Parts: sequence; C-alpha cells; structure tokens
Amino acid sequence: DTGVSQDPRHKITKRGQNVTFRCDPISEHNRLYWYRQTLGQGPEFLTYFQNEAQLEKSRLLSDRFSAERPKGSFSTLEIQRTEQGDSAMYLCASSMGQSYNEQFFGPGTRLTVL
Amino acid sequence: DAKTTQPPSMDCAEGRAANLPCNHSTISGNEYVYWYRQIHSQGPQYIIHGLKNNETNEMASLIITEDRKSSTLILPHATLRDTAVYYCIVRPLGDDKIIFGKGTRLHILP
Repeated sequence: DTGVSQDPRHKITKRGQNVTFRCDPISEHNRLYWYRQTLGQGPEFLTYFQNEAQLEKSRLLSDRFSAERPKGSFSTLEIQRTEQGDSAMYLCASSMGQSYNEQFFGPGTRLTVL
Repeated sequence: DAKTTQPPSMDCAEGRAANLPCNHSTISGNEYVYWYRQIHSQGPQYIIHGLKNNETNEMASLIITEDRKSSTLILPHATLRDTAVYYCIVRPLGDDKIIFGKGTRLHILP
C-alpha cells in the first residue's frame, strides 16, 4: 500500500505526558498537512509543510504543539504536557505539485488523554 | 470558518442517485468548490472539484449553478459503501489548507 501512513493508530496517555505522532506521506509528495478532528466535527487545519519548510500554522497550534519534517519526507507532531482537550483524531495528508491539488489523507492517530 | 452550508443528514435508497446540495453564497471568483467524503474510521477522501463548469469523474458529478452560489454533488448509483460524511468546501486558488465544515451524513438504505 503506497498511501499515507500514520503511527501509532491509537494512543492513550495521561494528562501531562508528552506524545509524538509520525506521518509518512506518499512518496515524492512535497506538501504535508496536519489536521485535528474532534467527534462530530470536520477536520481542522493545524499546519503544513512544503518540503522541509513549515509554511503555515493555525492559531489552534498552541506552543505545546510542534511539528517537524526534517528531511522533507516523514513528519512528526509532538504534543507536550497533554491536556484532556487534546483528545482527538490527528490526521495527516500529503499532496504533490500545486496547492490546489487533491490531498490524500492517512487513517489518523486517535489520541485519548485521561 | 467554513463558507458552505449543508444539510446535516440525508437518506438515499441503494441504486438510486444521491444528490447532495451545498450553499456557498459568498463564494469569490477565485474560489473552487471541492467535495471530500469521510467513511467511518477513515481519513477524508477527495471526490471532485470545479470552478464554474460542471465536472464529472468516475466517482461523481458536480453541478455548479450559473451564479456559483450553490452546487450539487451527484452519486449516480449509490451503494452501501457510499455511506459517509460528505464535505463541501470552498477553497481559494493558491490556498493550501482545507477548511472543513460539519458536512452531510449520507445514509444509503438497502
């Protein structure tokens, strides 16, 4: 399967712990996006990369959140000092070429903060 | 905030055409209409997009009104696998992020 992959698929953590998620985009896709989705809502944009450069961050991305894409391939999203409000599905997507091209989404990482 | 309005839910009989409406009365000239869907426990999946002309692909047809203030996504022969949340999105050319609304939950009935 050459689609977008995310790891882990599920994460349960205690409040105050740090967590890190990984996203592997489709090979050669230069753009990579992170979204967050809570129950009953559509996905909300968090941030995106073009190659290794982080070009936009949503105001939803507090200073406890950090994302990296060090070599322009896979990306990590870290949440420090997790809070119960961070419980959500974290979705990664990738695309190739122009900004208006379709985004291919991964299956997501479901985070539960106890 | 999302610039689209969709009904929260719809039902359609299997084998019939599913017509999903979307209002985007404040759409600008450089904004495209996109449709994605999200099947339960999966990430969103791209369906189709258009600017002002009607579009058709292997999955669906997109009908955009002449004034571009509304559109309809048509699934010509709905199957049970089409049960999903369908998102209508208005997206400016050159804007990387997608702003999702709450979408329409489509139930295909056997």
